[in-house]
Amino acid sequence: EVQLVESGGGLVQPGGSLRLSCVVSGFTFSDHYMDWVRQAPGKGLEWVGRTANKANNYNTEYAASVKGRFTISRDDSKNSLYLQMNSLKTDDTAVYYCARRSKRSSGQRDFDYWGQGTLVTVSS
Amino acid sequence: DIQMTQSPSSLSASVGDRVTITCRASQSITNYLNWYQQKSGKPPNLLIYAVSSLQTGVPSRFSGSGSGTDFTLTISSLQPEDFATYYCQQSSSLPFTFGGGTKVEIK
Repeated sequence: EVQLVESGGGLVQPGGSLRLSCVVSGFTFSDHYMDWVRQAPGKGLEWVGRTANKANNYNTEYAASVKGRFTISRDDSKNSLYLQMNSLKTDDTAVYYCARRSKRSSGQRDFDYWGQGTLVTVSS
Repeated sequence: DIQMTQSPSSLSASVGDRVTITCRASQSITNYLNWYQQKSGKPPNLLIYAVSSLQTGVPSRFSGSGSGTDFTLTISSLQPEDFATYYCQQSSSLPFTFGGGTKVEIK
């Protein structure tokens, strides 16, 4: 059974830092691209960024709203994905989801498994 | 960035109704269009990928169509468990973007 479990959320002051983790099981983690998606309270979904798989040199890409402040990394030996968030702003308050990018022969890109999410609240 | 516009933003329907949600992209995304269902307090769940391919385990009353910039999600006969918010998403180019969501409520 595929599982993704996030942790590390909490309350942080503006300007502060937080590191989220996503531990996965039930599939070969190193084969998959992994993404972070967030959802502000009562709002829609926003893509945050992604890390490629080992075959693609763990390349990372980010949304403009977080570029330069957030860093995505992974440790395939620990089946873990990370999101380091620095210089946090009140607008970063959201539930953060890790999501697995599917591997389809057609090359289609979609998120076929999601974690339950972890809430990050940025407030003084 | 590619903008995704969903309509309507909300709708009220009865069990057994046929429901249609539309999604328009600001430029052609060929067939890189996915649909997700999200229930309150839960993560999104993939329903349809590549415009019309049903994800494993998703009931056949869900279907998708379209190409280029205009897409549709149809629920042929609304069931009680289908009351949720639905999002389209383009995966043609980064940054991946989502529509604003359509909340399907009980009439």
